[in-house]
Amino acid sequence: GQQVMQIPQYQHVQEGEDFTTYCNSSTTLSNIQWYKQRPGGHPVFLIQLVKSGEVKKQKRLTFQFGEAKKNSSLHITATQTTDVGTYFCRDDKIIFGKGTRLHILP
Amino acid sequence: EAQVTQNPRYLITVTGKKLTVTCSQNMNHEYMSWYRQDPGLGLRQIYYSMNVEVTDKGDVPEGYKVSRKEKRNFPLILESPSPNQTSLYFCASSLLSGHGNSPLHFGNGTRLTVT
Repeated sequence: GQQVMQIPQYQHVQEGEDFTTYCNSSTTLSNIQWYKQRPGGHPVFLIQLVKSGEVKKQKRLTFQFGEAKKNSSLHITATQTTDVGTYFCRDDKIIFGKGTRLHILP
Repeated sequence: EAQVTQNPRYLITVTGKKLTVTCSQNMNHEYMSWYRQDPGLGLRQIYYSMNVEVTDKGDVPEGYKVSRKEKRNFPLILESPSPNQTSLYFCASSLLSGHGNSPLHFGNGTRLTVT
């Protein structure tokens, strides 16, 4: 069945560096959601993107939805230790990507 | 406080001993769902419910049962647990039925170990 491919699976960055995770679908999506799960915690909703080419920002986080609505990205500028966790995308068929685990090196 | 409550948080049991993980939400959400999370496999849906008395299989339903007799409750039942059901389980709910249009609210999780 349809699934969203999320890359990379893991990412280690130095504190202060930027980080990006990508979500790719083989089909056009009506919307995409992003979630964050802290270590030992539960997934928490971050944002939903609906429009083609949409860009939304939450402080240091920038979310983009591709023009063709087949891919999306989450970019974190100047990572901090509080950004540690796993970031998941979720497509409009309620399927989650496998997540990108972010490790921050002090 | 709006929340999804799962119990218990931790459970260790033996093969074949029936167990129930409870899930309750106080947000009057129509949609409820169970996921299991395993390393490298992400969140996989077990069962979901679009409303009272309506339940459907997700991607990995084998070995599980659910019921939705009331809007707020959605228990997960393992009639005869096996070691391959050792996992971290999450219950989630959202306001509207349908396909990924409403944000999911997750419970704190239940870590199940079957020996």
